Amino acid sequence: NAGVTQTPKFQVLKTGQSMTLQCAQDMNHNSMYWYRQDPGMGLRLIYYSASEGTTDKGEVPNGYNVSRLNKREFSLRLESAAPSQTSVYFCASSGTSGREAPYEQYFGPGTRLTVT
Amino acid sequence: RKEVEQDPGPFNVPEGATVAFNCTYSNSASQSFFWYRQDCRKEPKLLMSVYSSGNEDGRFTAQLNRASQYISLLIRDSKLSDSATYLCVVTPLRGYNKLIFGAGTRLAVHP
Repeated sequence: NAGVTQTPKFQVLKTGQSMTLQCAQDMNHNSMYWYRQDPGMGLRLIYYSASEGTTDKGEVPNGYNVSRLNKREFSLRLESAAPSQTSVYFCASSGTSGREAPYEQYFGPGTRLTVT
Repeated sequence: RKEVEQDPGPFNVPEGATVAFNCTYSNSASQSFFWYRQDCRKEPKLLMSVYSSGNEDGRFTAQLNRASQYISLLIRDSKLSDSATYLCVVTPLRGYNKLIFGAGTRLAVHP
């Protein structure tokens, strides 16, 4: 099992450009999340999807959109990137496939995004 | 005020030392509490849950004080491999979809 995978690992954008961060999990988890991590701020929830077909805003949703494409995939889109969106983005999943506790979130390796 | 506050450190300790991290949370309705570990430039991973009665996992002991809204993590006999950032995490409501992360406390264990 690969767990949670994210692409790309690194990205540099110019202000105003758009891009989509991809995330996939192979653990049959129901819930998926997108976080950003900035120095001194901790991880902050951008959007989450409690189950296939649903998405909800987290703490910092402005400037982002998400799509829960199917149970495995949850993408994050930046329509018009701004320097304030320079951050490390983590995707995570959680669920009760029978083995894990529901509160244990499994994270992908992260995408390091710089907006100039 | 941040919902979850931690001393950022770094805590620089020699191998074999005992070190303790503290964390305070502002929402008295917080339901569940955890410690995650994050290695440099890696993703966070669950270290342990924190139960009201206190709990141990090998060299790690976690404690919760609901009255003071305070969580602690004690690491005994520190190893070089314990060097990482330790994230204090709470859930504000029943259910686990919204984990609130502290900014983390950095630990550096040296020979």
